[in-house]
Amino acid sequence: NAGVTQTPKFQVLKTGQSMTLQCAQDMNHEYMSWYRQDPGMGLRLIHYSVGAGITDQGEVPNGYNVSRSTTEDFPLRLLSAAPSQTSVYFCASSYLAGVTGELFFGEGSRLTVL
Amino acid sequence: EDKVVQSPLSLVVHEGDTVTLNCSYEVTNFRSLLWYKQEKKAPTFLFMLTSSGIEKKSGRLSSILDKKELFSILNITATQTGDSAVYLCASNRDDKIIFGKGTRLHILP
Repeated sequence: NAGVTQTPKFQVLKTGQSMTLQCAQDMNHEYMSWYRQDPGMGLRLIHYSVGAGITDQGEVPNGYNVSRSTTEDFPLRLLSAAPSQTSVYFCASSYLAGVTGELFFGEGSRLTVL
Repeated sequence: EDKVVQSPLSLVVHEGDTVTLNCSYEVTNFRSLLWYKQEKKAPTFLFMLTSSGIEKKSGRLSSILDKKELFSILNITATQTGDSAVYLCASNRDDKIIFGKGTRLHILP
């Protein structure tokens, strides 16, 4: 069972470069979200989506774009990377987040911006 | 602004002790309170609480919600070294799930 798959697992960027973190799930979940985790900060919500074609901002959306063209995929785009975006990024999905509360997380993507 | 505050941020106890982790929240349109455990990698789901006063239990872990006072506690009895982890509390408001900073629990053998 694949579950939630994130790629790449590690990435080093230079300031100003752009990149996309990929997230795919094979559980037919409507709800998907992106978090970043920094030391001592817990998980902070970047963007989330309750279904294909619908996205919304979380707590820290600046500097990140998302789209949801299919149920399975929810890519996170960094248009012009900054050192402050150095973090571990987690993608998560849920069948009905509001009903079950159970998010299924990917293994994380560690991004370093120099 | 929605807030989820956990305390303590860090806790060290000996194996066999009982611990209580705290979570307070200020959230409009509150729907549920969630607990997760994070070991080395991704968080894993423990409990969802929606009603006050009803205890959720799984083995040595239990949790309860107080919607009047806006807090929840997570109890772990007879702790084991395998309970060492970061415990995360989160609130669900209109499908927006916001986490606290977590409590880092370390169990000494």
